[in-house]
Amino acid sequence: EVVLTQSPATLSLSPGERATLSCRASQSVGSSLAWYQQRPGQAPRLLIYDASNRATGIPDRFSGSGSGTDFTLTISSLEPEDFAVYYCQHRSNSWTFGQGTKVEIK
Amino acid sequence: EVQLVESGGALVQPGGSLRLSCAASGFTFSIYAMGWVRQAPGKGLEWVSVISGFGGETLYADSVKGRFTISRDNSKNTLYLQLSSLRAEDTAVYYCANTFPTTSSVYFQHWGQGTLVIVS
Repeated sequence: EVVLTQSPATLSLSPGERATLSCRASQSVGSSLAWYQQRPGQAPRLLIYDASNRATGIPDRFSGSGSGTDFTLTISSLEPEDFAVYYCQHRSNSWTFGQGTKVEIK
Repeated sequence: EVQLVESGGALVQPGGSLRLSCAASGFTFSIYAMGWVRQAPGKGLEWVSVISGFGGETLYADSVKGRFTISRDNSKNTLYLQLSSLRAEDTAVYYCANTFPTTSSVYFQHWGQGTLVIVS
């Protein structure tokens, strides 16, 4: 079973700054990786699929990159609504989520 | 607009049972696999189960296998999750989600707002 490890656990940044979140897989997953955003008190929302494709309606300040075992979610300039928890996810025989990275206001 | 509305969450004693429902609208329900994902209080996301579009295939996380049963009624556009032999560690918000297949994988695209199950 693939294990996804996200880092850092918490990222403290100011609005307008660039956020870089990492997700590392315990074995190669090709490009089969998604990123989700979860705002406080809300359901998760699909941001990125197949490592680098933005889901419908997702602003272009969100971008995903990587393949194999190392993946990155980048938010080019943080908006107030972007302060949230972000999860990576992969599906093999089951669906696996990383433990999450919280992006908080500095 | 896709809508997924969960219901059925409640406070239940250990060893008890519960059935969750998820009413879907805004898309062709029978075409898509559907899934349940849960989130314990203050914790991350944990996949629970998935069912194929016509219900012929089901998958379960090891943590719920043999205790939970996923099903669907395509005539009612409704997804179900039967929870049995409940344990304290099953306490969580349970989300239903529809799936989004790509050439390389399957992801959870639209999510409901969740229903809370408390086992105590």
